Amino acid sequence: GEDVEQSLFLSVREGDSSVINCTYTDSSSTYLYWYKQEPGAGLQLLTYIFSNMDMKQDQRLTVLLNKKDKHLSLRIADTQTGDSAIYFCADWGNGQNFVFGPGTRLSVLP
Amino acid sequence: EAQVTQNPRYLITVTGKKLTVTCSQNMNHEYMSWYRQDPGLGLRQIYYSMNVEVTDKGDVPEGYKVSRKEKRNFPLILESPSPNQTSLYFCASSWGQGVEQYFGPGTRLTVT
Repeated sequence: GEDVEQSLFLSVREGDSSVINCTYTDSSSTYLYWYKQEPGAGLQLLTYIFSNMDMKQDQRLTVLLNKKDKHLSLRIADTQTGDSAIYFCADWGNGQNFVFGPGTRLSVLP
Repeated sequence: EAQVTQNPRYLITVTGKKLTVTCSQNMNHEYMSWYRQDPGLGLRQIYYSMNVEVTDKGDVPEGYKVSRKEKRNFPLILESPSPNQTSLYFCASSWGQGVEQYFGPGTRLTVT
């Protein structure tokens, strides 16, 4: 089946940029999503990108998509302690369901 | 307020004792889904439903049942829970497939 991979942990200092990477195997991906999960809560959609786009910017968030390499990244500028959370990459292709990565736990150090 | 609710939020039970986790959404969404979250594995889809009386298996359906008799409700049933079903469960809904899903707060289930 389709697969989505992410590194499990990332630590950055407050004020630095964070880059969370994701790779996927589905060659028919239509949408790719980034979700954020704060402690004890469900997932919230952060942003998404259509497969025919290379980049999307939304305030402090920048999503880059390299469709050839099946690589997606999420950059958070000026990372704050409130950004500490688990970030999930998710893929929606021609299948009937979302495929989620294992999640990257972002720790922001003061 | 638009939301997905799940009950209970926490449940400890014993092997073999049937249980139901309820899920309800107030957004008139057609698509609903159940996931389990396990460390290092992310979210895996258990079952989904595209509309009333229409359900289908996700990636890990074994040991679970669902029903969709009303648009707003999508309960998850464990007929005979086992310890390997100890997990964090999320219900989600959306107005269609492949679009933003709204997640419930999660149900942490422990089966001893």
